[in-house]
Amino acid sequence: EDKVVQSPLSLVVHEGDTVTLNCSYEVTNFRSLLWYKQEKKAPTFLFMLTSSGIEKKSGRLSSILDKKELFSILNITATQTGDSAVYLCAVIQYNNNDMRFGAGTRLTVKP
Amino acid sequence: KAGVTQTPRYLIKTRGQQVTLSCSPISGHRSVSWYQQTPGQGLQFLFEYFSETQRNKGNFPGRFSGRQFSNSRSEMNVSTLELGDSALYLCASSQDSAQYFGPGTRLTVL
Repeated sequence: EDKVVQSPLSLVVHEGDTVTLNCSYEVTNFRSLLWYKQEKKAPTFLFMLTSSGIEKKSGRLSSILDKKELFSILNITATQTGDSAVYLCAVIQYNNNDMRFGAGTRLTVKP
Repeated sequence: KAGVTQTPRYLIKTRGQQVTLSCSPISGHRSVSWYQQTPGQGLQFLFEYFSETQRNKGNFPGRFSGRQFSNSRSEMNVSTLELGDSALYLCASSQDSAQYFGPGTRLTVL
């Protein structure tokens, strides 16, 4: 059965810490993996990853995909309280372009 | 540019009724996708429309349907509502690889 698993489910850190969120997947016909940030509203798109080993970076956030080991990580450096959110990863498959989401990681950054 | 807009923002219906939700994408975006978000199931993909054609479909029953108009605005319809259809329904418009979500419509089925 196709699945997307995120870990940890929740994480509490202090401002300035660096965090690594994980997303592993078991899907057929993998096409791409996406990361989103969701606060008390709709998800905000962060990254789309299609190729292995190529890091995508946006400010303090970065992400990389490993298609051999079937996982992706999202790194946030120098965390701020505004980074507190649920981080979702989703996988798109080639065969039907279905988008399958993980359960999310709830990140809490304390001052 | 204005963002993705969804109407209505909140809706209360009873079992057996039907509902139509509306989504206006960002100007120039031709792809509109719909998602259902519930605490139990998380975020699930419903379908995607591109240039008035359904391009992709998730694993939802036929009670869930949609359409897209020539101006890229999209509607989603759910017929014969069930209690389990209570959820936040999100639409997202996209261009290239970036996807932008609307604020969602919170549907409560009583």
